[in-house]
Amino acid sequence: AQKVTQAQTEISVVEKEDVTLDCVYETRDTTYYLFWYKQPPSGELVFLIRRNSFDEQNEISGRYSWNFQKSTSSFNFTITASQVVDSAVYFCALRGYSGGSNYKLTFGKGTLLTVNP
Amino acid sequence: EAGVAQSPRYKIIEKRQSVAFWCNPISGHATLYWYQQILGQGPKLLIQFQNNGVVDDSQLPKDRFSAERLKGVDSTLKIQPAKLEDSAVYLCASSRWPGTGAHQRTGELFFGEGSRLTVL
Repeated sequence: AQKVTQAQTEISVVEKEDVTLDCVYETRDTTYYLFWYKQPPSGELVFLIRRNSFDEQNEISGRYSWNFQKSTSSFNFTITASQVVDSAVYFCALRGYSGGSNYKLTFGKGTLLTVNP
Repeated sequence: EAGVAQSPRYKIIEKRQSVAFWCNPISGHATLYWYQQILGQGPKLLIQFQNNGVVDDSQLPKDRFSAERLKGVDSTLKIQPAKLEDSAVYLCASSRWPGTGAHQRTGELFFGEGSRLTVL
């Protein structure tokens, strides 16, 4: 069974602060994929980042960066110099691969990020 | 490229009534998903289609929910009769899987804006 835990329910920061969203996952699959999605008030889930389990290299893309640590089953997401437009609910998600045909995506409960001006 | 289209955006019904939601995926996407998102929770998969066949409906309450994708393109999700606990946003998503290369496994999902259901 797959499980994704986002312990932070809500985070509030002031514009230009850095903010890190935590994600811890559980899976028995040896190959899996981790995702972050953003859900603004409009409701549409927007894909942000995908990492696979065999590549722990962390990256930075603009103001976004992520820290994938297999040893602690964590996939944290950081926004640098936050902006008001970053206010949204952020979901961490996991997709396992067991050689079958079902690539079900399991979501965490989400973290509501509010960036105040 | 047009995104995933869903309708209606909002629906209010009384319990025991029926409701239907429609989804048109991105052109060429073989896989279509319906997710239920209850307020304050992450989306939960209800049903997954590959073309017009069902891949996974293990979490679909089949006594009241049904879904079809007859021609392997657009899809309809129906609830009959609705219960108060069905109040949620119903999200449709599509992906190219089974595709080639990176998308075959990573299967990035593209989501619609959702249909918000309120059951009174």
